[in-house]
Amino acid sequence: QSVLTQPPSVSGAPGQRVTISCTGTSSNIGANYDVHWYQQLPGTAPKLLIYVNNNRPSGVPDRFSGSKSGTSASLAITGLQAEDEADYYCQSYDSSLSGSVFGGGTKLTVL
Amino acid sequence: QVQLQESGPGLVKPSETLSLTCTVSGVSLSRNYWTWIRQPPGKGLQWIGYISYSGSTNYDPSLKSRVTISLDTSKNQFSLRLSSVTAADTAVYYCARDHGDHGDDSWFDPWGPGTLVTVSS
Repeated sequence: QSVLTQPPSVSGAPGQRVTISCTGTSSNIGANYDVHWYQQLPGTAPKLLIYVNNNRPSGVPDRFSGSKSGTSASLAITGLQAEDEADYYCQSYDSSLSGSVFGGGTKLTVL
Repeated sequence: QVQLQESGPGLVKPSETLSLTCTVSGVSLSRNYWTWIRQPPGKGLQWIGYISYSGSTNYDPSLKSRVTISLDTSKNQFSLRLSSVTAADTAVYYCARDHGDHGDDSWFDPWGPGTLVTVSS
C-alpha cells in the first residue's frame, strides 16, 4: 500500500479534461512538502512532468498543470490526446519515513 | 545533456547480492544527489535511496538493513548493492538525478532507461 493515494484509473475522450488526485497525510503533503508528477509511457522509464507542485520542465506542454492544497495535490490534463495514455505517479517527501514516497500510480485511458 | 545508464547482471540467485552501476554523462557527480528507484513488474515505483555529492546517504527504512549506495567520482558512476535478495526484489531498477539539496526536497530528472533484475535460482 502506497503512502500517497491515487485512483487506479481515470479515462476521458480526446479533447476532454481529466484530473488525477494524490492524497497524502500530515507527514507528507500536509506538512507542506512539495509534490512532483511523472508520466510513464508503456515500456519506458518515468519522465518528469511537473516539479515543485506546479512547474513544467522545458518541453512539457502547457496542457499539463499541477496544484496542491492541504493534504492533497492534483494533476490536470486538458485537451486530451491519444499520446497522453500512460501511467502517472505523484511523489513527495514523508517526514515519518524520512524519505521520498510515491503514489501507487494512475492509468489514464484515452477513449 | 545529462544521461544515465544502468548496468549489471539481469539474474541474481536468492540470498545473493544484487549489484548495479549507473554511469552518468553530461554532468559531474560532484553536483546534485543521485537516487535509485525500483518498479516490480506490473506495480508502482519504490524509492530505494540516495547518495549526495559529499557521500552522505539515506535509504528507504524497509530496505535500509540490506542497501548500500556508493559513489565513484573518478568514473562518474554511482552504485547500488542490495544483499540477501529474494523473489520480492525482482524489479526494473532505475537510477536518476535527484534535484534535492537536503533530502526532503527531492525530485528526479532525468532517469536512466532502467534494467530488469530477476531473482531466481
